[in-house]
Amino acid sequence: GNSVTQMEGPVTLSEEAFLTINCTYTATGYPSLFWYVQYPGEGLQLLLKATKADDKGSNKGFEATYRKETTSFHLEKGSVQVSDSAVYFCALAFTGGGNKLTFGTGTQLKVEL
Amino acid sequence: DSGVTQTPKHLITATGQRVTLRCSPRSGDLSVYWYQQSLDQGLQFLIHYYNGEERAKGNILERFSAQQFPDLHSELNLSSLELGDSALYFCASSVIPGGPETQYFGPGTRLLVL
Repeated sequence: GNSVTQMEGPVTLSEEAFLTINCTYTATGYPSLFWYVQYPGEGLQLLLKATKADDKGSNKGFEATYRKETTSFHLEKGSVQVSDSAVYFCALAFTGGGNKLTFGTGTQLKVEL
Repeated sequence: DSGVTQTPKHLITATGQRVTLRCSPRSGDLSVYWYQQSLDQGLQFLIHYYNGEERAKGNILERFSAQQFPDLHSELNLSSLELGDSALYFCASSVIPGGPETQYFGPGTRLLVL
């Protein structure tokens, strides 16, 4: 079946550090890929998405590129802020597959001053 | 604010009881999805409704059921509750089921079974 694997957390960084959260997927076919963010006590918010190979999703300084050859969708940000502290979920969904999201386990990010 | 509303925000109940969680999708969205977030299972898809009809089922227990009403709001019914049903239950909505449409999530209902 389809699955998403994310790096284990928590990831602790100093403010202005570079962030990478690794995400790889296993799927039959070519899914759309998403990063969702969950701030403490809140629901999930879409951070960015990519629908085909080599697409780059970007939002709020975060970026991720859909790499078909490595089945990866790593999340990056050049300079993190304390306000970026949250749990980040990588997910996939298929067009015509009911669009249900398959999530990774989530990676908690803590950014300190 | 995603535009998806869920009630109640918190629910505390006892084992063996039955509860109903309610979700109102964003205006114009025909699809509603239910997800369960628990510490041991992570975020798991439960069920999907589109315009009143069930479209897909995931890891949903037989004790759980859902429906989507003509006004497009949805309810998730959980019965014969067990301690392990304690979790955050999210609903999400999107415009059409074919995708890859973005799903917008509600704030969740936190269920605690004692």
